Order: sequence, then C-alpha cells, then structure tokens
Amino acid sequence: SQQGEEDPQALSIQEGENATMNCSYKTSINNLQWYRQNSGRGLVHLILIRSNEREKHSGRLRVTLDTSKKSSSLLITASRAADTASYFCATDVGTGFQKLVFGTGTRLLVSP
Amino acid sequence: EAQVTQNPRYLITVTGKKLTVTCSQNMNHEYMSWYRQDPGLGLRQIYYSMNVEVTDKGDVPEGYKVSRKEKRNFPLILESPSPNQTSLYFCASSRTSGGAPDTQYFGPGTRLTVL
Repeated sequence: SQQGEEDPQALSIQEGENATMNCSYKTSINNLQWYRQNSGRGLVHLILIRSNEREKHSGRLRVTLDTSKKSSSLLITASRAADTASYFCATDVGTGFQKLVFGTGTRLLVSP
Repeated sequence: EAQVTQNPRYLITVTGKKLTVTCSQNMNHEYMSWYRQDPGLGLRQIYYSMNVEVTDKGDVPEGYKVSRKEKRNFPLILESPSPNQTSLYFCASSRTSGGAPDTQYFGPGTRLTVL
C-alpha cells in the first residue's frame, strides 16, 4: 500500500456540515501537505504542516498531525457546494525527504 | 503572474514515437517534479529535480527521461511511448525548506494518449 492513504475514499455530505478526511503514512516525514483537485485540473495547495507542529488552521480548514500515530486529518467546517473536489495528502520521504508521495485521495461531494 | 506552464495540454500519439512535454516555471523555484495521475492510483512521482543538473527518480521512472539544464525548465521525455503511459501528467515546482520540497505549485496538466 502507498505511503499516504486517505480515508474515506469518498464522502457525501450536505452543505453546512463538517467534512473530515484522514491520511495515514508509514515512514518518518519532514512535512505533510494537503491539496485539493477539481475534476481533471491541477492540484491546489491547501495547508502544509511540519512534523513539529500538531495543528494548523486556514479559514475553514483545520489540519492536525499526530506523528506518533503517523496520521493527519483535514477538517472542512461549514462545507459549501464549491468544496466538492478530491483531496490529497502528500508526504516527503526518502533521503533528505526529497521525494513526494501522494495518497489516492478522498472524493468529497457536498450537496446543496 | 506566478505560474507553471505545460505544453502541450493534450496529445495523442502512437507507440514508439518520441515526444517531449515541456514544463516551465517563473518563480525561481529550485525544486521541480513530474507526476502522473491514473484513476484509483492518485498521483505518482516520476522524476524530481532539486536544482539545475540535479535530477533523481521518483516512484515510477521507467520509460521516462528528464533534464534540468536551466532552472526554469524541466522537460519530460518519452523516448518510446507505450499505451501504458497513457495518463494525465502534471508538472510542479516549489521552493525548498531545509533541503526538502515545500508547497508545490502545479501546472494545468497534459493529457497524453498513446495508441
């Protein structure tokens, strides 16, 4: 299985609800990043959290990192239909943490 | 405008016909990388470059070549494309922090079909 695995694979909620996605990884990391992708388009960076950080916020986004469990979560509060997208975590691995490994993503559908 | 550009955006070719996908960034980033995206497999890193003349393999380098002769450009070369290289390709660039890649800025993608 991959270094970064998101859970769940798909999530369907109503506008106004919160959405939580999880990412698990296997090896030590320097940073963990979350990205968003609208269908077939380039990925857009959301948040980068460093291995010595535990929580980070950006607008309606909250990311937590638990290095002891090798896991991270992305919380989107008060979701909107425009949040419908795929969300990916990415971890840096290898010598000098120079390689980037993306997970398979969580597809989020927010219904009006 | 800060951006990563890729060309072409769409390409249909035949098996064995050499092709190059160009990637250029205007942010003076040290780190550049190529990914392919296939359904159910997420993004997989093909090659990356920490700086000019410094390149290294990602997770799926077989069948691909890259070069980094200038800081702004990082072309992806398929010397003899095969149908299993049909995919959506993304180029990305970033600064480095502590020697590791930072926030990735992605290009718009190149959809390649190899017949």
